[in-house]
Amino acid sequence: DVKVTQSSRYLVKRTGEKVFLECVQDMDHENMFWYRQDPGLGLRLIYFSYDVKMKEKGDIPEGYSVSREKKERFSLILESASTNQTSMYLCASRGWSKEGDTQYFGPGTRLTVL
Amino acid sequence: QKEVEQDPGPLSVPEGAIVSLNCTYSNSAFQYFMWYRQYSRKGPELLMYTYSSGNKEDGRFTAQVDKSSKYISLFIRDSQPSDSATYLCAMSSTNFGNEKLTFGTGTRLTIIP
Repeated sequence: DVKVTQSSRYLVKRTGEKVFLECVQDMDHENMFWYRQDPGLGLRLIYFSYDVKMKEKGDIPEGYSVSREKKERFSLILESASTNQTSMYLCASRGWSKEGDTQYFGPGTRLTVL
Repeated sequence: QKEVEQDPGPLSVPEGAIVSLNCTYSNSAFQYFMWYRQYSRKGPELLMYTYSSGNKEDGRFTAQVDKSSKYISLFIRDSQPSDSATYLCAMSSTNFGNEKLTFGTGTRLTIIP
């Protein structure tokens, strides 16, 4: 089974802090994604990466950056956290499995910025 | 207009009922269709994956795609309280890994014992 893990389930930070969210997948997938999920807005893509050291902006990249130094690891960075970044953050990797080619999600990190 | 429209619910049905969840979409290039189930405070998990038009059945779940109407459905037979979750539809035009999926906003379903 595909396994995607995220470094924290719950995180509380203060405005202005630098925040790192880490994601690791064990299926050797090339493609990894970061989303945020908010009530009524659904999943919104922040950034994705299709290879090591490669990154592409998603729909809402402002205020975020990413890092992919190793294939299995994809980090989301909030350079200076703000209260409007309070959200559920979901990492996903995409690749082939018996179900087909699709995305597999981690458990999520619920971030609160005070 | 959003590319994918999904009624957010909430939808409440009694245990044992048949549940129908739906999405409509506007992009005729979509060919790959997925349903994810997301329990409260968890990440979405893949439930069904289909290609092009037709039906796919897996246990109590049936996914249906009607590309001519740009309409997809997920049916749950003999619904159980454990089916209470948010269901998200997702779709893409290719199966290339670097193409992002387009998601619906999700339908919140509650099965009443």
